[in-house]
Amino acid sequence: GDSVTQMEGPVTLSEEAFLTINCTYTATGYPSLFWYVQYPGEGLQLLLKATKADDKGSNKGFEATYRKETTSFHLEKGSVQVSDSAVYFCALSLLSGNTGKLIFGQGTTLQVKP
Amino acid sequence: EAGVVQSPRYKIIEKKQPVAFWCNPISGHNTLYWYLQNLGQGPELLIRYENEEAVDDSQLPKDRFSAERLKGVDSTLKIQPAELGDSAVYLCASSLGAVGGSEEQFFGPGTRLTVL
Repeated sequence: GDSVTQMEGPVTLSEEAFLTINCTYTATGYPSLFWYVQYPGEGLQLLLKATKADDKGSNKGFEATYRKETTSFHLEKGSVQVSDSAVYFCALSLLSGNTGKLIFGQGTTLQVKP
Repeated sequence: EAGVVQSPRYKIIEKKQPVAFWCNPISGHNTLYWYLQNLGQGPELLIRYENEEAVDDSQLPKDRFSAERLKGVDSTLKIQPAELGDSAVYLCASSLGAVGGSEEQFFGPGTRLTVL
């Protein structure tokens, strides 16, 4: 079935370090891909998205590129801040049949230390 | 503009008791979702509404779970009776409408349920 796999956390980095959180997916169709972020005590927020192969989503210094050949959507940021500490979820949504249904990975906790 | 509102934020009950969660979506959002999030896991869809109609409830355990969305606005998710394994966070989300699978979903803060 359709699924998303993320690298296990927690990921602990020092401020200004480079961040990569790996995400790979399995899907029967042509999904849209998303990164959501969950700050402590808050609901999930959409961070960025890509709807077709080779698209790059970006927001708040974060980037992810939809790689169909490797079925991946890795999240990157060049210089993390303490305020980026949160749980990050990779997700996919199928374009037909289950439109709007999000399938999430298990989440990756990021801890950024000053 | 107010986001998705959920209540209560926390609920502790004894097993076999009933419990209900309430969600008020963003004004004008036709699509409403209930997700279940177990500790250390990503959310999993329980049910999706398009206006008043439940269009995807395949993952809802219908022996003990029920949901309704009267008038196509607010929604209630109920568990009766609750079991220990139901302890989790119940998330509500809404969107303008599922178009092309890339429609953004806005999430509420969730209700954390503890069953003792």
